Amino acid sequence: GAGVSQSPSNKVTEKGKDVELRCDPISGHTALYWYRQSLGQGLEFLIYFQGNSAPDKSGLPSDRFSAERTGGSVSTLTIQRTQQEDSAVYLCASSLELAPYEQYFGPGTRLTVT
Amino acid sequence: QQPVQSPQAVILREGEDAVINCSSSKALYSVHWYRQKHGEAPIFLMILLKGGEQKGHDKISASFNEKKQQSSLYLTASQLSYSGTYFCGTGLSGSARQLTFGSGTQLTVLP
Repeated sequence: GAGVSQSPSNKVTEKGKDVELRCDPISGHTALYWYRQSLGQGLEFLIYFQGNSAPDKSGLPSDRFSAERTGGSVSTLTIQRTQQEDSAVYLCASSLELAPYEQYFGPGTRLTVT
Repeated sequence: QQPVQSPQAVILREGEDAVINCSSSKALYSVHWYRQKHGEAPIFLMILLKGGEQKGHDKISASFNEKKQQSSLYLTASQLSYSGTYFCGTGLSGSARQLTFGSGTQLTVLP
């Protein structure tokens, strides 16, 4: 079946502008995660959605970052008033409800803030 | 807190073996291993849950030592396709499923 898809694949924006990144998880996966990967670094957790529960936002770096998930499927990560340090690859992953919760990643969105 | 991976980088010849370690200072529920090639998404390799199990498929296997909070990834008779950056991601519980990733081990397999 289809994997996790993300759009756009690349986004270049000017400092101070808002951006929206989209993630379409694997069909049937109820858990959805956003991670950020800066150049040459590991993955940094941002936010996690599980079914209808309140999302775990503990990884969001500032209040400029927000995310929502509509209808338990597609998710949008919004970054307001982008800064140069926001430049990174934003990766989305999804997993099933059941253990052991393997997470499958999408191809990512490369965000460049100029 | 981020798990510590070692070594940071390793270069080996095709057919040689390698071990990558992942250590945490916290009690772990799960360890996930991924391989990422440059410019691509991380690919899931395997997951180990607390209980000290060992898993494997083909020539890649892993172990999880619950007492030491350490996992090791074993690559035997390495192939060129094994080149990439290997990340371990650690989960603290079954309910809090977000992973904390190590900084990665860059593996290069030469012909």
